[in-house]
Amino acid sequence: EIVMTQSPATLSVSPGERATLSCRASQSVSSNLAWYQQKPGQAPRLLIYGASTRATGIPARFSGSGSGTEFTLTISSLQSEDFAVYYCQQYNIWPLTFGGGTKVEIK
Amino acid sequence: EVQLVESGGGLVQPGRSLRLSCAASGFTFDDYAMHWVRQAPGKGLEWVSGINWNSDSIGYADSVKGRFTISRDDAKNSLYLQMNSLRAEDTALYYCAKDGGSGDYIDALDIWGQGTMVTVSS
Repeated sequence: EIVMTQSPATLSVSPGERATLSCRASQSVSSNLAWYQQKPGQAPRLLIYGASTRATGIPARFSGSGSGTEFTLTISSLQSEDFAVYYCQQYNIWPLTFGGGTKVEIK
Repeated sequence: EVQLVESGGGLVQPGRSLRLSCAASGFTFDDYAMHWVRQAPGKGLEWVSGINWNSDSIGYADSVKGRFTISRDDAKNSLYLQMNSLRAEDTALYYCAKDGGSGDYIDALDIWGQGTMVTVSS
């Protein structure tokens, strides 16, 4: 199976600052990469699919980039509602696999 | 409104069985693949199983292969997960999720239910 590795595990950022989250695949997943946001007590929400396409209703401050094995999620200016855990996931082949998550916390 | 509602969770003893259900509404259910994803308390997300739109392609995580069976009833707009030989490590919140791709195309999981909790303990 494809192993997804996210870094860092925790990211401390001040409101208004930029956050950069990384995700690495153990083998190429082409652009079949998604990012999800999960807040405490809530189900995950799709943010990005196809490595760089924002899902419906996702603000423009969220952007995704990369292909193959290296991917990045950037939040350009963190808002209070953005503090959460973020997961990457590959859907290039089954079994689908998720990264371990990056927690974005308030600095 | 697109909605997924899971049910069937609960407390079960190790070695016993449980069947989860997911009721879908607000979209053409039989056009899309569907998935089960779980999250152990305080842990990350783990894909459990998926089934394509016409049930001819099914996948399982190694951790549940041979014990869990996914199925769908398009007439009832429902997804199921039959869980046998349950173990303590199967304790988790189980989410039903809709695939964003239609037909045979597999995509990201664009709609999630709120989950149903399964606790395996004696």
